[in-house]
Amino acid sequence: EPEVTQTPSHQVTQMGQEVILRCVPISNHLYFYWYRQILGQKVEFLVSFYNNEISEKSEIFDDQFSVERPDGSNFTLKIRSTKLEDSAMYFCASGQGTYLQETQYFGPGTRLLVL
Amino acid sequence: GNSVTQMEGPVTLSEEAFLTINCTYTATGYPSLFWYVQYPGEGLQLLLKATKADDKGSNKGFEATYRKETTSFHLEKGSVQVSDSAVYFCALRARNAGGTSYGKLTFGQGTILTVHP
Repeated sequence: EPEVTQTPSHQVTQMGQEVILRCVPISNHLYFYWYRQILGQKVEFLVSFYNNEISEKSEIFDDQFSVERPDGSNFTLKIRSTKLEDSAMYFCASGQGTYLQETQYFGPGTRLLVL
Repeated sequence: GNSVTQMEGPVTLSEEAFLTINCTYTATGYPSLFWYVQYPGEGLQLLLKATKADDKGSNKGFEATYRKETTSFHLEKGSVQVSDSAVYFCALRARNAGGTSYGKLTFGQGTILTVHP
């Protein structure tokens, strides 16, 4: 069964450093998402991406964040200058459409720790 | 805005006990409702979903009924197993105030379930 994959599974970085989190969505999906979950808190939506453009973003997704689909298979989330509060589990997801009943498929997550 | 509220956890049960995890929501219009499960070390997996009022989603012995009158989507299982130990997330997808949907899910805070033999 096709699945969403994410690398790395864990990343430790120093505050102020740039990190890139990578995702390979399911191959025939067109819609891509990033979510994050700070320890003990809700899973929060960050951004959705379609047709090489951001279609929706949350207030969390400020200028420090960017997304890219550089080669037609990978989908990346970049944090330019990490802060302590960026420490979280980051989930990538993909889906075939945006109808309300569509299923979204999630990767296993990248646990980011900012020191 | 849209929101989901789940019962506080953690929930600890003995094997074969009855499980209920409460979920209520606030949303624009008529959302679709989902339960996702996260097993230790894994990502979020869709457990079941319901897309309109009175629909019942079911999978692996779990059930949830979309109750529009009470804006609820409680998860139930008649007899839990040790292998059901996981974190359970209630979520919705709804149109925004402008009537469009870009697909984002809104999640509850998750409920940790531990089942003992």
